[in-house]
Amino acid sequence: AQTVTQSQPEMSVQEAETVTLSCTYDTSESNYYLFWYKQPPSRQMILVIRQEAYKQQNATENRFSVNFQKAAKSFSLKISDSQLGDTAMYFCAFMKHKYSGAGSYQLTFGKGTKLSVIP
Amino acid sequence: DGGITQSPKYLFRKEGQNVTLSCEQNLNHDAMYWYRQDPGQGLRLIYYSQIVNDFQKGDIAEGYSVSREKKESFPLTVTSAQKNPTAFYLCASSAVALNTGELFFGEGSRLTVL
Repeated sequence: AQTVTQSQPEMSVQEAETVTLSCTYDTSESNYYLFWYKQPPSRQMILVIRQEAYKQQNATENRFSVNFQKAAKSFSLKISDSQLGDTAMYFCAFMKHKYSGAGSYQLTFGKGTKLSVIP
Repeated sequence: DGGITQSPKYLFRKEGQNVTLSCEQNLNHDAMYWYRQDPGQGLRLIYYSQIVNDFQKGDIAEGYSVSREKKESFPLTVTSAQKNPTAFYLCASSAVALNTGELFFGEGSRLTVL
């Protein structure tokens, strides 16, 4: 079974500064997906960024980037130029690859990190 | 607009009653999921379905039931056997064929047992 650990229950950052959220995972799979999802106070979960394990290059989406260390099973999220709208719960998630057999398409979530952006 | 609609947003139930949460999607996605969210627990998978008329138990299926009679609909019934049903419930869907692994979520339903 896969596990996802987010060791920072809460974090805060000043507006316009940079913050990094940590995530580690445990799996015996070699091919999988990793995600960061954001859940703002309005509650609708939205995808922030996605990484495929076989790709060495770290994914980036505008102000959001990841540091994917496959050997260390680490997947941290960096938010640059933090904005007030970034205030939310952030969840790291793992999914087995489509062709990995039983359990594919199931997301395993970490417990989340509550990020507050301070004006 | 395409998306996932969950209803009701808020629901109150007396102990011993069954209640059904609705989830409808117009994204033409094959797979649908139900997650339960509790404070400090993250999201836990209740049931998922990859095709019509087929579904599998997730990590915490006890006390819940689902059906998948239509591609666009995946209702969740919280039965009286669920010992602690008060929670926030999230429905999601994904396009299996695209192989992106991305889930699209509804806005959630908050169930409170009185």
